[in-house]
Amino acid sequence: IAGITQAPTSQILAAGRRMTLRCTQDMRHNAMYWYRQDLGLGLRLIHYSNTAGTTGKGEVPDGYSVSRANTDDFPLTLASAVPSQTSVYFCASSTGTSGRGAVDEQFFGPGTRLTVL
Amino acid sequence: GQNIDQPTEMTATEGAIVQINCTYQTSGFNGLFWYQQHAGEAPTFLSYNVLDGLEEKGRFSSFLSRSKGYSYLLLKELQMKDSASYLCAMGDSNYQLIWGAGTKLIIKP
Repeated sequence: IAGITQAPTSQILAAGRRMTLRCTQDMRHNAMYWYRQDLGLGLRLIHYSNTAGTTGKGEVPDGYSVSRANTDDFPLTLASAVPSQTSVYFCASSTGTSGRGAVDEQFFGPGTRLTVL
Repeated sequence: GQNIDQPTEMTATEGAIVQINCTYQTSGFNGLFWYQQHAGEAPTFLSYNVLDGLEEKGRFSSFLSRSKGYSYLLLKELQMKDSASYLCAMGDSNYQLIWGAGTKLIIKP
């Protein structure tokens, strides 16, 4: 693989079910991010990880959890899906050298289109 | 608070020039990104400005004025493949990106 991969590409899920969206990168980037993108709204940060073993909450973390056991993988879990979580989910990564007034470029995976019924 | 605004949609003609504006408000600013996103695809990086002025990269240029909280993306010699959404994003005081809703650019022959 080269870059970031996400799985599944799309999923239809019944409300109340548990779902894990997978994200893997092979660029040895320190930082990883999960966004959701909804029509008419900008990308909204759900959770992020600045380095393996650490995670942080973004703008819209409720109903989602993440883990970062190693550098490459950053799964996003919906413990009990609700219809408002219907969205396109993007995973992204960056080198993680932000600081001193500058922000890293983020590289995005192809996205997962999730529909919760 | 933090806020970032850009027009929802713009239309331009193939071969022409278009300028997409972005205004922002933030208490801690760490640069301004522009990304391109084709329908159904992931965003891809176009430019990053952290200092005032114009950055030129081929047919695309990006401008930043920190004192005015303003940036624009200039696209020259428009091609049909430039039809896409253009996302403006600012780096905040925590070095996270705050994203605008995007400007959908429609190119007509």
